[in-house]
Amino acid sequence: AQKVTQAQTEISVVEKEDVTLDCVYETRDTTYYLFWYKQPPSGELVFLIRRNSFDEQNEISGRYSWNFQKSTSSFNFTITASQVVDSAVYFCALSEGGNQGGKLIFGQGTELSVKP
Amino acid sequence: SAVISQKPSRDICQRGTSLTIQCQVDSQVTMMFWYRQQPGQSLTLIATANQGSEATYESGFVIDKFPISRPNLTFSTLTVSNMSPEDSSIYLCSVMGPTPEGPYGYTFGSGTRLTVV
Repeated sequence: AQKVTQAQTEISVVEKEDVTLDCVYETRDTTYYLFWYKQPPSGELVFLIRRNSFDEQNEISGRYSWNFQKSTSSFNFTITASQVVDSAVYFCALSEGGNQGGKLIFGQGTELSVKP
Repeated sequence: SAVISQKPSRDICQRGTSLTIQCQVDSQVTMMFWYRQQPGQSLTLIATANQGSEATYESGFVIDKFPISRPNLTFSTLTVSNMSPEDSSIYLCSVMGPTPEGPYGYTFGSGTRLTVV
């Protein structure tokens, strides 16, 4: 069965600090997709990134970067030089490919608080 | 990518009553999903709604409590039946399909914030 674990429930940093949000996943499939979403206080889900299981290349998008390591089943998310606007709950999610139905399973979420 | 209209956006309901949430998509999609997000919690999948067949429910969710309809490829409803305060949550529908980020992704409705008193 698929499972996503975000061990960090809450993280608090001061503005301009770097912060890494951890995500560990479990799946029996060889084809799967990993996602990160941001949920600000307003409640909507904001898509951040999708990565498929065959693409282990790390990605950088502005202040955001992602480190995907299949060997440790991890897909960690780093925010560089954090800002107050980064304060939100961040969810890591997993979707199995193939004939698994495509359902998206979420981790427990990490609440990030960036203080000025 | 698909655009989802979810209604109502919020409601306050009396215990023992039922509420039906609607999810309208502007394009045909095969798979629609219903999630629940309890206060301070993550999103939990309730069921997968497929057109022309019964919904597939996740462990802990039953059809009598959360009946789902999927009459066509653009519309689905979720009913929360015989509500209790424990049902107070945000309910979201989601579809799988092409997104601006690529051919495979998920689009979410804006959610229905339900409070049961």
